[in-house]
Amino acid sequence: QSALTQPASVSGSPGQSITISCTGTSSDVGDYNYVSWYQQHPGKAPKVIIYDVSNRPSGVSNRFSGSKSGNTASLTISGLQAEDEATYYCSSYRGSSTSWVFGGGTRLTVL
Amino acid sequence: EVQLVESGGGLVQPGGSLRLSCVASGFPFSSYSMNWVRQAPGKGLNWISYISSHSDSTSYADSVKGRFTISRDNAKNFLYLQMNSLRVEDTAVYYCAKKTSGYWFDPWGQGTLVTVSS
Repeated sequence: QSALTQPASVSGSPGQSITISCTGTSSDVGDYNYVSWYQQHPGKAPKVIIYDVSNRPSGVSNRFSGSKSGNTASLTISGLQAEDEATYYCSSYRGSSTSWVFGGGTRLTVL
Repeated sequence: EVQLVESGGGLVQPGGSLRLSCVASGFPFSSYSMNWVRQAPGKGLNWISYISSHSDSTSYADSVKGRFTISRDNAKNFLYLQMNSLRVEDTAVYYCAKKTSGYWFDPWGQGTLVTVSS
C-alpha cells in the first residue's frame, strides 16, 4: 500500500498561486474520482478542503481548487495568505478491499 | 455540532495491548461508516482501518492486519480500535474520522497519542 507521491515542500509569497501535485497509480488516483485534499496546521487535526477531485466543502475558500489528469491530482491555492501556511495531504480511495491511501504531505511556506 | 473525541491513548510496552475509543455526537452515528487514521510523530497520515455503518464490513491496512481490530457500538455512539502485539513503529497520534456519504473524511477527532516504548 504505497503512499501517493507529493513534493515535500512548496513556498510562495502572499498573493501568489502555488500548485501541489499528487501522483498515484491506475489503482487509485487514476481509477477513481475520489481524490480529497486535507489541510493540517501544527498540532491540529486534518481538515478537508477538496473532495471528489475538485469540489469544495461549504465554508472553504474558493482560493482552493483541485484537478486531476491521469494518475496525478493537483491542488492549487491562489492569492496565498499567511493563514494558508500548513501541511497539505492528498488522499485517494482504493476500491480493492475498501481502503484509502494518503500522500506523504507537502509543507507550504508563505514567505 | 458534529464532534468526534478519541481517548485511550498512552504509553505501552512493545508486545502490549491498548484499546482506543472514539465517541461521536451531533450526527446519526449508525448511518455512517468510520475510519481510523494514524500519524507518526513528524510524519504523514496513514489510513489504517474502516468499518461500515452496521459493522458488516471492515478493512485494514497491511501494517496492522491481524493485530488491530475495529469495532463499533451504535447504541452508545462509540467507535473502537483494539490494538494487540504493539510495535515501536505503531507509535502515533490516532485519529478517528467519519466517512461522508462520499469517499472523504469529515470531521476528524483531535487525536489520541499512543507511544510504544520499553
